[in-house]
Amino acid sequence: AQSVAQPEDQVNVAEGNPLTVKCTYSVSGNPYLFWYVQYPNRGLQFLLKYITGDNLVKGSYGFEAEFNKSQTSFHLKKPSALVSDSALYFCAVRDAGTASKLTFGTGTRLQVTL
Amino acid sequence: EAGVAQSPRYKIIEKRQSVAFWCNPISGHATLYWYQQILGQGPKLLIQFQNNGVVDDSQLPKDRFSAERLKGVDSTLKIQPAKLEDSAVYLCASSSVGSLFFGPGTRLTVL
Repeated sequence: AQSVAQPEDQVNVAEGNPLTVKCTYSVSGNPYLFWYVQYPNRGLQFLLKYITGDNLVKGSYGFEAEFNKSQTSFHLKKPSALVSDSALYFCAVRDAGTASKLTFGTGTRLQVTL
Repeated sequence: EAGVAQSPRYKIIEKRQSVAFWCNPISGHATLYWYQQILGQGPKLLIQFQNNGVVDDSQLPKDRFSAERLKGVDSTLKIQPAKLEDSAVYLCASSSVGSLFFGPGTRLTVL
């Protein structure tokens, strides 16, 4: 069975500082990995994905994520956080080999303060 | 490009009542998903359609939940009868290759 772990319920960072939101995964085959963001009272918005190729993936709003196969991680990063980045972030995984479902983590709340 | 549309946005019902949600996916997307997101948790897949066929409904409580996707486009999700624990946001998503795109969701409150 596939699973995702987001070990931090909340991450606090000052505006202008770099941020990291952690994600580790477990899947039987090769992983497809995703990050989504959810603002209050809104649906999930796609940020970025890793399918194959370069381990560093760049996405929307200046976010990027690094795929690390040996550590089974896909941490989300941004060099300089903005207050407007404050939201709920979800990591998700699916098995590349099948039409399998997308399994989400429990989410990490990012709070960026001035 | 228009996104995934869902209605209603909010619904309040009493337990044991019935409720239905509607989803219109992005044009051309063959795969449609219904997810349930309980407050404080990540979304959980209820059912996945490929065109109008069911691919995965292993986590759908079939004694009370049903879903259909007639003609391979729009989909409806029904709960009958509703329980208190069904209070959640119901998210519809569609995909063509790889990425899922989500609608705004329907927030259901069961009293």
